[in-house]
Amino acid sequence: GEDVEQSLFLSVREGDSSVINCTYTDSSSTYLYWYKQEPGAGLQLLTYIFSNMDMKQDQRLTVLLNKKDKHLSLRIADTQTGDSAIYFCAEADSWGKLQFGAGTQVVVTP
Amino acid sequence: GAGVSQSPSNKVTEKGKDVELRCDPISGHTALYWYRQRLGQGLEFLIYFQGNSAPDKSGLPSDRFSAERTGESVSTLTIQRTQQEDSAVYLCASSPHSTNEKLFFGSGTQLSVL
Repeated sequence: GEDVEQSLFLSVREGDSSVINCTYTDSSSTYLYWYKQEPGAGLQLLTYIFSNMDMKQDQRLTVLLNKKDKHLSLRIADTQTGDSAIYFCAEADSWGKLQFGAGTQVVVTP
Repeated sequence: GAGVSQSPSNKVTEKGKDVELRCDPISGHTALYWYRQRLGQGLEFLIYFQGNSAPDKSGLPSDRFSAERTGESVSTLTIQRTQQEDSAVYLCASSPHSTNEKLFFGSGTQLSVL
C-alpha cells in the first residue's frame, strides 16, 4: 500500500473553505509538502511545513500538522474556481526524495 | 529558461521501440529527480541524481529503464523495448541542493505506447 494516503475527491462551493487531508507513515520525515496540478500543467509547489511546526499560514492557505497522528491538512479559504485542480501531499525523506500521495481532485462549483 | 524544461511534451511510440526523454533542470540546481505518474495514480519515484554522486536508481521499475546526467546539467531517461504499461506522464524535477529543498517540476512528457 501507499505510504501517503489522501482522499481522492472533494467537491466544494465557491466561497466556502476546502480542507484536504493526508496521512503519512514515515516518522522521520522532516518536510511535508502540498503540490497543485492543474490540467495539462506540471506540479506547482503550494506550500510546505517543517515537521517541528504545527501550523503554517500563507494567504488563503493554512497547513496543519499533527505529528503524533502523522496527519497533514491543507485548508483553502474562500475557494475560487481557479482552485480546481489535483492536490498532492508529499513527505520528504532525509535525502530529499519525495513520496507522494495519489492526489485529491478538488472541484469547485459555482 | 527560468524553469525546468522537458522534451518532448508528447511522445507516441509503438510497443517494442526505444524512447528517450530529456530534462533541462534549472541552472545551478544540483539535484535532479525523475518521477512517473500513471493515469489516476500518484507520483512514482524513479531515479535521483545529486551532483557527481552515484545516482539513486532504486525506483526504476525494470532494467529497460535507465537514466543519465552529465554533471549538473541535462538528464535523459531512456526506456528500451517500451511496453503499454510504460504509458504515463514522466516528470522531471530539480532542486538547488539535495536535502529537503523544494522541488521545481517540469511540465512532463506524456508517453503513449500503442
